Amino acid sequence: EIVLTQSPGTLSLSPGERATLSCRASQSVSSSYLAWYQQKPGQAPRLLIYGASSRAAGIPDRFSGSGSGTDFTLTISRLEPEDFAVYYCQQYGSSPRTFGQGTKVEIK
Amino acid sequence: EVQLVESGGGLVKPGGSLRVSCAASGFTFSGYSMNWVRQAPGKGLEWVASISSSSSYIYYADSLKGRFTISRDNAKNSLYLQMNSLRAEDTAVYYCARDSSGYYFYYFDYWGQGTLVTVSS
Repeated sequence: EIVLTQSPGTLSLSPGERATLSCRASQSVSSSYLAWYQQKPGQAPRLLIYGASSRAAGIPDRFSGSGSGTDFTLTISRLEPEDFAVYYCQQYGSSPRTFGQGTKVEIK
Repeated sequence: EVQLVESGGGLVKPGGSLRVSCAASGFTFSGYSMNWVRQAPGKGLEWVASISSSSSYIYYADSLKGRFTISRDNAKNSLYLQMNSLRAEDTAVYYCARDSSGYYFYYFDYWGQGTLVTVSS
């Protein structure tokens, strides 16, 4: 089973700042089969990025994903008030599909 | 518009059973694999089970040890999760999630709002 470790656990930033979230896999994720989700309190997760770097439909271009192998990054170029949430990475390159433990982006 | 609406959650005693359902609309249900993902209170996301579009392929998280059964009825556009021998650690919000593929199992592109299952005496 691939273990995904996200860092940091919590990121305290101000609106307008850049957010960089990390997701590290215990072994290589094949074909860059990595996705990112955003979850706000009391809501279901929402798909942001798939294939490590492809934005899902309707996702603003301030969200970008990068990486390959074992190291992946989600970048939010300029934080908007609605971006403060918890972010999860998920790999689907091998079974079972697994999630990271999440990174909370909070208002500083 | 894709919609996934879960139902059937509630309070159940340890050792009891419960079936949760997911009603799908806004897309060709029979063309997609479907999944259940759960989230314990204050915790992260955990994949539970998956079923391919024609029910040919079914997979479960090892931690469930045969207690849960996923199924679907394409004629009714519905997904189900039968949960038996429930334990306190099964307490969670159970999300129905559409897979991005109909044959394989990739990422989850649409999610329902979830149904809360509480296991407690």
